[in-house]
Amino acid sequence: EAAVTQSPRNKVTVTGGNVTLSCRQTNSHNYMYWYRQDTGHGLRLIHYSYGAGNLQIGDVPDGYKATRTTQEDFFLLLELASPSQTSLYFCASISFRGTQYFGPGTRLLVL
Amino acid sequence: GEQVEQRPPHLSVPEGDSAVIICTYTDSATAYFYWYKQEPGAGLQLLMSVFSNVDRKEEQGLTVLLNKKDKQLSLNLTAAHPGDSAVYFCAVRGSNAKLTFGKGTKLSVKS
Repeated sequence: EAAVTQSPRNKVTVTGGNVTLSCRQTNSHNYMYWYRQDTGHGLRLIHYSYGAGNLQIGDVPDGYKATRTTQEDFFLLLELASPSQTSLYFCASISFRGTQYFGPGTRLLVL
Repeated sequence: GEQVEQRPPHLSVPEGDSAVIICTYTDSATAYFYWYKQEPGAGLQLLMSVFSNVDRKEEQGLTVLLNKKDKQLSLNLTAAHPGDSAVYFCAVRGSNAKLTFGKGTKLSVKS
């Protein structure tokens, strides 16, 4: 069954902490995306990727790194987490023809 | 880059009335258009996707209209019911594969 999974589902860290959010898709989709969702802002694109080894800069990339290690796996890295990065993070995969799936989201709290 | 304006941010309608949400985008090369529903505490539910060669699409009480001349996308919920209360997002995907969201519309359907 086509799916996008995210882990962890919830994460609490402290300011300056190191956090890795994981996303895996089993859809054989080329494109994967990381978004953050905040009240009043909707979903904002952090980074996205066309395929393994590729990374494209999104609209709000500051403070975030990302890496696409395989077709299936896309990671979001916060190397020095700040309270402003407290948010709900979504991952998505999209096929070349536009079929898409979103993950269930990861709630991150930076204290 | 692509900009998406969504209006209204809040919409309240009586049960049985229609509700219309409008998005305006900027990139004429935009190829794919999406509408999502998000209920409290939940992820994104894809309602409808439309390719740029379609002007109108209807499914299960929802109508999407695409006006490429004015770069406008609309969602019409006919005969809204309380179960339709949620936040609705539009999103557009352009030639660079970026998927850009509107800021959302909170719909309340009053019984």
